[in-house]
Amino acid sequence: DGGITQSPKYLFRKEGQNVTLSCEQNLNHDAMYWYRQDPGQGLRLIYYSQIVNDFQKGDIAEGYSVSREKKESFPLTVTSAQKNPTAFYLCASTITPLGTEAFFGQGTRLTVV
Amino acid sequence: AQSVTQPDIHITVSEGASLELRCNYSYGATPYLFWYVQSPGQGLQLLLKYFSGDTLVQGIKGFEAEFKRSQSSFNLRKPSVHWSDAAEYFCAVGAFNNNDMRFGAGTRLTVKP
Repeated sequence: DGGITQSPKYLFRKEGQNVTLSCEQNLNHDAMYWYRQDPGQGLRLIYYSQIVNDFQKGDIAEGYSVSREKKESFPLTVTSAQKNPTAFYLCASTITPLGTEAFFGQGTRLTVV
Repeated sequence: AQSVTQPDIHITVSEGASLELRCNYSYGATPYLFWYVQSPGQGLQLLLKYFSGDTLVQGIKGFEAEFKRSQSSFNLRKPSVHWSDAAEYFCAVGAFNNNDMRFGAGTRLTVKP
């Protein structure tokens, strides 16, 4: 079955450490997205990529980095520069151009300890 | 960039009552509009979408939404709410030539027995 896989589901990080969240899709979608979800703030766009080797910053890109070396993969690194990284992170993908729904992964809950 | 406002953070309705969740968007061109539902700790599932044509769109689980260009709104409705509808609901806006997809802050729905 086609879909998006995020791993791990739960992640704990010590302050000052970088951590990478995985997102893989087998839907053959061109565009991929990372959102951060905090209570009462909905989904805020961190980064998105419309094509391999290209990506754009969203509203809250500071303290995050991404790569898009393969169409299927869009990993997100939460760096030590991100001051408040504890949140629920969602990865999504869509066909390009945007013509149908976004498919979402099940999310990764990151906690800084 | 486009933006979405969901004015109601939390709504409580009795089971069997009707429901309307509000969504207002800001975008200069013709928007693509979506409603998604999220159960706790899960990803998002598409309820319905509007791209063009008939301004009243039907979705899954008995939901419908009406696009009103003059009011920049895309409100979600259901004539009779079931206890299983309790979840968080997100409105989203995108565009054909732009994969920058934005979400509202969400509306949490509680259903009273």
